[in-house]
Amino acid sequence: DSGVTQTPKHLITATGQRVTLRCSPRSGDLSVYWYQQSLDQGLQFLIHYYNGEERAKGNILERFSAQQFPDLHSELNLSSLELGDSALYFCASSAGTSRSSYNEQFFGPGTRLTVL
Amino acid sequence: EDQVTQSPEALRLQEGESSSLNCSYTVSGLRGLFWYRQDPGKGPEFLFTLYSAGEEKEKERLKATLTKKESFLHITAPKPEDSATYLCAVGGSARQLTFGSGTQLTVLP
Repeated sequence: DSGVTQTPKHLITATGQRVTLRCSPRSGDLSVYWYQQSLDQGLQFLIHYYNGEERAKGNILERFSAQQFPDLHSELNLSSLELGDSALYFCASSAGTSRSSYNEQFFGPGTRLTVL
Repeated sequence: EDQVTQSPEALRLQEGESSSLNCSYTVSGLRGLFWYRQDPGKGPEFLFTLYSAGEEKEKERLKATLTKKESFLHITAPKPEDSATYLCAVGGSARQLTFGSGTQLTVLP
């Protein structure tokens, strides 16, 4: 158990809908990262928040957005869903950011999103 | 753009048969190289971080090494419970981790 929690475990929805995925980082971790994992794309970085502020963006679609709240939990919002958005979405947390090195990231169990 | 290539894509070993997994990378300003283990339908589990060429880390039957262009994950006398997908990732000046597509390891009893 990494200490990172994600809800829900599974989500089944229809095209065009909007969903919210939730993540609680490990106790004391200030950084939260979101990743998408699909069979053909592997694990893709979406976005990174540190202590409430956006720090880095990867290949995140404009239909997707995220935020980190004062209690450090984070939410990933996916809207106008398409069939291709079906994937596993992981949240990870780490102790912080450093200019000279990366702290290891600890992953949650993921949310499996199915868009029908 | 940071790139990570892992080989082989899949590896089948007999229990006790040692082998190595390869992770080749190109990165602008390496900040760290990470190894993870992932079981089907689960989140990646952190194994090792390597920061500079020549560094080695060990944990049970696993040993990770790093050169300027690649990293190896050596598995000594593997057991069936070592079966999983092993992921390699690099962190560079792009301020994000770039993952390889993984090596799917199967250890047969």
